[in-house]
Amino acid sequence: DIQMTQSPPSLSASLGDKVTITCQASQNINKYIAWYQQKPGKAPRLLIRYTSTLESGTPSRFSGSGSGRDYSFSISNVESEDIASYYCLQYVNLPYTFGAGTKLELK
Amino acid sequence: EVQLVESGGGLVQPGRSLKLSCAASGFTFSNYYMAWVRQAPKKGLEWVATISTSGSRTYYPDSVKGRFTISRDNAKSSLYLQMNSLKSEDTATYYCARQDLRGVMDAWGQGASVTVSS
Repeated sequence: DIQMTQSPPSLSASLGDKVTITCQASQNINKYIAWYQQKPGKAPRLLIRYTSTLESGTPSRFSGSGSGRDYSFSISNVESEDIASYYCLQYVNLPYTFGAGTKLELK
Repeated sequence: EVQLVESGGGLVQPGRSLKLSCAASGFTFSNYYMAWVRQAPKKGLEWVATISTSGSRTYYPDSVKGRFTISRDNAKSSLYLQMNSLKSEDTATYYCARQDLRGVMDAWGQGASVTVSS
């Protein structure tokens, strides 16, 4: 199984900051990584697929990059509505595996 | 608008069974792979099962293989998860999700809560 090591587990940011979350796969995942946002009590929402392709409706302040085993997800100019947990997902191989999540909080 | 609505959750004793349902609308259900993903309280996301468009192929992680069965009824645009021999560690919110051809879960239901406890 492919392990996804996501960091940091939590992040404190001020409005307007840029934040970055990383996911490292235990093997090459050929850019098959997606990023999800989850607010308390809500279902996850797909933000980015295939490393850097933004979903319709995803604000341009969200971005993704990476290759091989190492990937990152960034939010530039953090807004209050971005306060949530974020998860990466590898979908190159079964079983699909998620990172442990990053909780973004306001400083 | 894509909608996925889960039902069937509840409190069940260890060792017993429960069946979840997911009603889909707003897209051509029979054209998509579908999945179940769960989230234990205060924990992360775990993929539980995937089914092909026709239902002929199913996939599970080792944690539920042999206990859980995913199925679908394309005529009813419905997805199911039969959960047998339930354990306390199966306690979670179970989400129904649509998958694209490559496997990304691109639409999610609101979740159904399952509690396994005596």
